[in-house]
Amino acid sequence: EAQVTQNPRYLITVTGKKLTVTCSQNMNHEYMSWYRQDPGLGLRQIYYSMNVEVTDKGDVPEGYKVSRKEKRNFPLILESPSPNQTSLYFCASSSRGWYSNQPQHFGDGTRLSIL
Amino acid sequence: EDKVVQSPLSLVVHEGDTVTLNCSYEVTNFRSLLWYKQEKKAPTFLFMLTSSGIEKKSGRLSSILDKKELFSILNITATQTGDSAIYLCAVEAEEYGNKLVFGAGTILRVKS
Repeated sequence: EAQVTQNPRYLITVTGKKLTVTCSQNMNHEYMSWYRQDPGLGLRQIYYSMNVEVTDKGDVPEGYKVSRKEKRNFPLILESPSPNQTSLYFCASSSRGWYSNQPQHFGDGTRLSIL
Repeated sequence: EDKVVQSPLSLVVHEGDTVTLNCSYEVTNFRSLLWYKQEKKAPTFLFMLTSSGIEKKSGRLSSILDKKELFSILNITATQTGDSAIYLCAVEAEEYGNKLVFGAGTILRVKS
């Protein structure tokens, strides 16, 4: 089954304790992206990757890192989490490029609470 | 600055009603507009619109795009309680590759 898998689904942690949220897709998609969703603000892009070893900042990258060493995986790293990073996070992927036309598929989300 | 504005922010209807959700946008080099439905977890894809005036339809849901007036509507006829969700509108611009700019969403609640 084609899917985007995020782990963990829920995490409560404390300020400053490094954490990683994993994202994996089995559709051989080139494009992957991380969003955060906050009430009243919709989804905002954190980082994206057009392909292996190609990553770039989205609209709200501060406090986050990503890596894309393999096509299927795109982990989101919070080196020193802070309470303002408490949010619902979504990973997405698509086969889109400049000349293709497919929608992004989303994972089920990771709810992070930073105390 | 690119932006997407959805209205209303929320609404409550009764089963069987017809609803219209609105999405207006300002973006340079428009590529496509997408509608997603979000229930308890992942947004699920509904429609992708790239051309003006061509209605896309799936069951009781339909959507259309007006590129001149920069808006789209999503219609749901004969609503059911299972239609209760957040409906998200997103726009993609050429210059951003695959980046989606999302609106804040419309919360729809259908009462039985």
